[in-house]
Amino acid sequence: TQLLEQSPQFLSIQEGENLTVYCNSSSVFSSLQWYRQEPGEGPVLLVTVVTGGEVKKLKRLTFQFGDARKDSSLHITAAQPGDTGLYLCAGVTWWSNTGKLIFGQGTTLQVKP
Amino acid sequence: NAGVTQTPKFRVLKTGQSMTLLCAQDMNHEYMYWYRQDPGMGLRLIHYSVGEGTTAKGEVPDGYNVSRLKKQNFLLGLESAAPSQTSVYFCASSLLSGGTDTQYFGPGTRLTVL
Repeated sequence: TQLLEQSPQFLSIQEGENLTVYCNSSSVFSSLQWYRQEPGEGPVLLVTVVTGGEVKKLKRLTFQFGDARKDSSLHITAAQPGDTGLYLCAGVTWWSNTGKLIFGQGTTLQVKP
Repeated sequence: NAGVTQTPKFRVLKTGQSMTLLCAQDMNHEYMYWYRQDPGMGLRLIHYSVGEGTTAKGEVPDGYNVSRLKKQNFLLGLESAAPSQTSVYFCASSLLSGGTDTQYFGPGTRLTVL
């Protein structure tokens, strides 16, 4: 069974601080996605990383895929209250010619003004 | 475009009752998925469909059945609800196979089984 472990599970910080969320597995994934979910809504895709060692930036968010494609991180610079939400990583695995997502448990981020 | 819609938004069932959750998408997507989300466990795939008339089991299919009679609709059924099925259920769709394409999620259905 492929598992993705996210850490920390809960993070409460002040506006302006930096933070990093980690997503680790013993399995190799063909790619990895990060989602953000707000209360009462479904997850929304932020980014997909495909190549080992790849780094992608989305404004103040930096995503990195590990060289061995088993882990990933999300770094937020100068967090803002609008960044509050649940962040989910999801590894892509292929099974019967269909790509499927294996989700981590999620990291709940609270940014206080 | 409404995207992915789910009906109902909330439901309370008694143990042993049955119900059907409806997912509809207006993006002409081939792939559709049903997930459940439980605290501390992320989202887990229940069933999925790679096209009209096809369905397949995901990670946690027991106690659920699905049907995809029309391309735009994906139904999730609970024949005899159990308290362990209390969860938030999300439907998603994608044009191409998940992982190579963006999955678009609906707003969820919160189900409580007493």
